[in-house]
Amino acid sequence: DAGVIQSPRHEVTEMGQEVTLRCKPISGHNSLFWYRQTMMRGLELLIYFNNNVPIDDSGMPEDRFSAKMPNASFSTLKIQPSEPRDSAVYFCASSLSGTARVEQFFGPGTRLTVL
Amino acid sequence: GQQVMQIPQYQHVQEGEDFTTYCNSSTTLSNIQWYKQRPGGHPVFLIQLVKSGEVKKQKRLTFQFGEAKKNSSLHITATQTTDVGTYFCGGSGGSNYKLTFGKGTLLTVNP
Repeated sequence: DAGVIQSPRHEVTEMGQEVTLRCKPISGHNSLFWYRQTMMRGLELLIYFNNNVPIDDSGMPEDRFSAKMPNASFSTLKIQPSEPRDSAVYFCASSLSGTARVEQFFGPGTRLTVL
Repeated sequence: GQQVMQIPQYQHVQEGEDFTTYCNSSTTLSNIQWYKQRPGGHPVFLIQLVKSGEVKKQKRLTFQFGEAKKNSSLHITATQTTDVGTYFCGGSGGSNYKLTFGKGTLLTVNP
């Protein structure tokens, strides 16, 4: 199994530009999570999808952030417009079911730098 | 909301020394998971604890869940350079899907 796939692995952009991060979960997993990791705040849950439906987006910082999951094998996290404070590592994770008692499989992450 | 605190934030040891990281929750947890993140890598699942007072071992790693299910610990015996990384705990309280992660403990090992 290829594991969770994320692209791009690194993104450097200028303030105000749109950024789109992509994720392909493990086949057969019905739950998908987007996390943001920074030194200051640690690993924060941004949004959780179950069976392609957004269940909890309370962690999305503000309206500049949006996420979609058009099908079971693809999700995007978009930031528009981007700001320097959005610089972080963004992880996508998937799991077999939508409970907190199941192992989450993390992708390699996208390191975003906004200048 | 639920908060999970981890201490220490950093720990540097000589190879062969023991290491312990502690995880404390502001609320009672239904379960707790531990993950390891190597430098430049991504979190990788280590183990899950569910029962009050539970103790699990993986080779040199010992995981404990407190009797009150509000704290947990990870102990590594005789550290090796391969143990280097950040160890995170993630706990679930009332939510049936959400893990709240601590900020992690970064372990460095001097060979």
